[in-house]
Amino acid sequence: DQQVKQNSPSLSVQEGRISILNCDYTNSMFDYFLWYKKYPAEGPTFLISISSIKDKNEDGRFTVFLNKSAKHLSLHIVPSQPGDSAVYFCAASARAGGSYIPTFGRGTSLIVHP
Amino acid sequence: EADIYQTPRYLVIGTGKKITLECSQTMGHDKMYWYQQDPGMELHLIHYSYGVNSTEKGDLSSESTVSRIRTEHFPLTLESARPSHTSQYLCASKRGQELNEQFFGPGTRLTVL
Repeated sequence: DQQVKQNSPSLSVQEGRISILNCDYTNSMFDYFLWYKKYPAEGPTFLISISSIKDKNEDGRFTVFLNKSAKHLSLHIVPSQPGDSAVYFCAASARAGGSYIPTFGRGTSLIVHP
Repeated sequence: EADIYQTPRYLVIGTGKKITLECSQTMGHDKMYWYQQDPGMELHLIHYSYGVNSTEKGDLSSESTVSRIRTEHFPLTLESARPSHTSQYLCASKRGQELNEQFFGPGTRLTVL
């Protein structure tokens, strides 16, 4: 059973507009969340993270929002650029055995049209 | 820029062959991981290591084995490849026990005929 769900397999957005990628989780023990970006034929690269003690973290054009009560987080990209076209993975982790091993969602493929 | 390398990048091999997928990192990270990922699916953890001579199996059952004789090297071996092993294999590393991100290699795309 998926503990981290990205229910939208794909998203298409016009350049300059906002992209909103969503992620839901079921395990209430998760307390650290990450977003990764993946281009074809490459490994994922880290984008942004958020701890459960916060509800928002911002880094340039990227902002992650966390709603713990709803077990939901979202990644906002403003403004979207064609180079943002990639697969975005949400990951969540909890302290287990002294280390955080993330659980990944299935990814959302973002296409930003010029 | 992450300094984690995987070879080969692509491998097509026949059933029954033994293969080793290489993963090396130059960042001195203690923790290393192997994931298996198919298109449209999540990354599944198959092995991880917390340091030299430490290896553990992940959530996804795998017929592969790993070793960690040196900090920087975490190879994955399949003794007898089968078509069901066809997938992308991603190696990752991370430092310490802090809340931080993993660094991923470029992956090995394995096809078993």
